[in-house]
Amino acid sequence: GAVVSQHPSRVICKSGTSVKIECRSLDFQATTMFWYRQFPKQSLMLMATSNEGSKATYEQGVEKDKFLINHASLTLSTLTVTSAHPEDSSFYICSAETVLTEAFFGQGTRLTVV
Amino acid sequence: DAKTTQPPSMDCAEGRAANLPCNHSTISGNEYVYWYRQIHSQGPQYIIHGLKNNETNEMASLIITEDRKSSTLILPHATLRDTAVYYCIVRVAEIRTSGSRLTFGEGTQLTVNP
Repeated sequence: GAVVSQHPSRVICKSGTSVKIECRSLDFQATTMFWYRQFPKQSLMLMATSNEGSKATYEQGVEKDKFLINHASLTLSTLTVTSAHPEDSSFYICSAETVLTEAFFGQGTRLTVV
Repeated sequence: DAKTTQPPSMDCAEGRAANLPCNHSTISGNEYVYWYRQIHSQGPQYIIHGLKNNETNEMASLIITEDRKSSTLILPHATLRDTAVYYCIVRVAEIRTSGSRLTFGEGTQLTVNP
């Protein structure tokens, strides 16, 4: 299957700082990328949908000013967690797809805010 | 997208077939059934999808009932590495509107025992 790469796989940051997570589709051009958050022992929760060249669509309850999403090209989307707090500690996962293919997922990023 | 219902957990002996059920009684005519799995601390992995015919690939088989209200994912010879959370999702798979999302439920925790 297609490859989606997320970076970093793990990150520890201090409270109040910002963290950027990258999601790249390595062997295809993704028209849409999705960002999910997963807390321990819970399912994936969709945060936002990102289309190349346009503003992301955020799910209800997700603060767009806190979770900044940029989708500058067909192979790269970034999620920036601004002014991170310990409650933002979670497993963040991206997925990428085209209009005619299934979604492929990155390996996830474990964020710990101390 | 239609909602799905899965048992929270299942056990299977190594080498035996694992049959994972999913109910999707409100599925629409243009919605496909997708299966993903998530091994602990990794991103979800695509397994298989289908519309109304049974499907088989190198990983699994998908059996969809004639009325399309339920389906079963079959892992023919389960191994310890198949231990994971399995998610059944219904979604429009043809050229999608911008509002189409891949929404995860709670899934089934499959434990393959030696």
